[in-house]
Formats: sequence, structure tokens, C-alpha cells
Amino acid sequence: DQQVKQNSPSLSVQEGRISILNCDYTNSMFDYFLWYKKYPAEGPTFLISISSIKDKNEDGRFTVFLNKSAKHLSLHIVPSQPGDSAVYFCAASAGYALNFGKGTSLLVTP
Amino acid sequence: DVKVTQSSRYLVKRTGEKVFLECVQDMDHENMFWYRQDPGLGLRLIYFSYDVKMKEKGDIPEGYSVSREKKERFSLILESASTNQTSMYLCASSPMREFSGNTIYFGEGSWLTVV
Repeated sequence: DQQVKQNSPSLSVQEGRISILNCDYTNSMFDYFLWYKKYPAEGPTFLISISSIKDKNEDGRFTVFLNKSAKHLSLHIVPSQPGDSAVYFCAASAGYALNFGKGTSLLVTP
Repeated sequence: DVKVTQSSRYLVKRTGEKVFLECVQDMDHENMFWYRQDPGLGLRLIYFSYDVKMKEKGDIPEGYSVSREKKERFSLILESASTNQTSMYLCASSPMREFSGNTIYFGEGSWLTVV
């Protein structure tokens, strides 16, 4: 059973605008949440994370928001750039391993 | 610079063959993982190991086994490859007590095709 869900398989955004990628989870034991970015034929690279004791974490153009009561997190990219075009995976952890969503393919058009 | 190295990027194997995927990390990490990535299914955990000779099943261990004889090396074994094991395999590592997202490192991936 999928414990981390990314319900939008794809998203297209114009360059310079905001990209919002969403993620929902079902396991209330998850205490750490991460976003990874993946280009074709490469391994995922870590982007940004947030602990369950926070509701927001910011790193440059990337901000992650966590709503624990709704079991929802989102990744905001502002402004979006063509180089941000990739697959973004949401992940959650309650221990050693990460549980991943199915990914959202982001396309940033010029 | 941190590094997780997967020895084979692209492999083509025949049904029924025994397949070894090797992974080495140079960060002295305790935890190592094998995931597979399939279109529309995301990354699914096959096995992980938190210490030498220790292993735990992930979400989809069927058809796979692993070996961790040395801390830096974690091998994934397909005892008898089948076509439904055609996939991209990703190895990853992380330290034990300082688990945090920014210290999970993935390798470049191994593309396995079983014909």
C-alpha cells in the first residue's frame, strides 16, 4: 500500500512562474520528509528536507511546507527555470529507509 | 567528495541467469539500500542493510537477495532473472545515527534488461 502519494504525474509551468508540487502521506509515524530531483539516466539527488517539528523550510528558490494535520507537504519553486525540468520525488521516513512517492514530472517551458 | 558507485551502468541478461549488481560507498556509512525505479511506480525498496552481514527486507524482496560482507560494499543478487525484473536499480547509503535527508546518497543507477 502506497504510504506516500504524489497524485499529479506531471506538471507544466512557464519559466519565471511558481511551481507547486504536492505530496500526501498516510503514516503518522513519518517524522522526516524529503524531496529528491531526478534527471533521466541519473540517480536521485537530494533537494530539500523538513523535520516534522517544523512547518516550513527554505533553501534559495526552494521551499517545503508541511501540514501535519492534513498529512500533506508541498514543494514550491520560485522562480521556475528550464533547468528545473526533472522528475521530483517526495519521500518520508520513520526509520532507516525512505518511502517514496511515484514522482511528478515537472516541465518548465521558456 | 562523497560517492556511491554502482559497478555496471547497463546490463543485458537472459532469463534464468544469475545476476550480481555491485555497489560501493566511500563514506563509511552504516546503512545501505537497494531500490528499483519503474515508470509510474516511483522508487521501491528491495532490501537494506544497517551493518555488515545484517539485512532487512524492504517492500519488494521477492526474487532478490543481498550480501553485505564488508561495510563499504552491498550486492544485490537476482538468483534467476526474469523479464519482470527489467528495471533501473539504485543503490544508496546513509550514516547510522545521523539520519537526515541531506545525507542519503544515491548512485548513478544500473539499467538491467532481462531478455
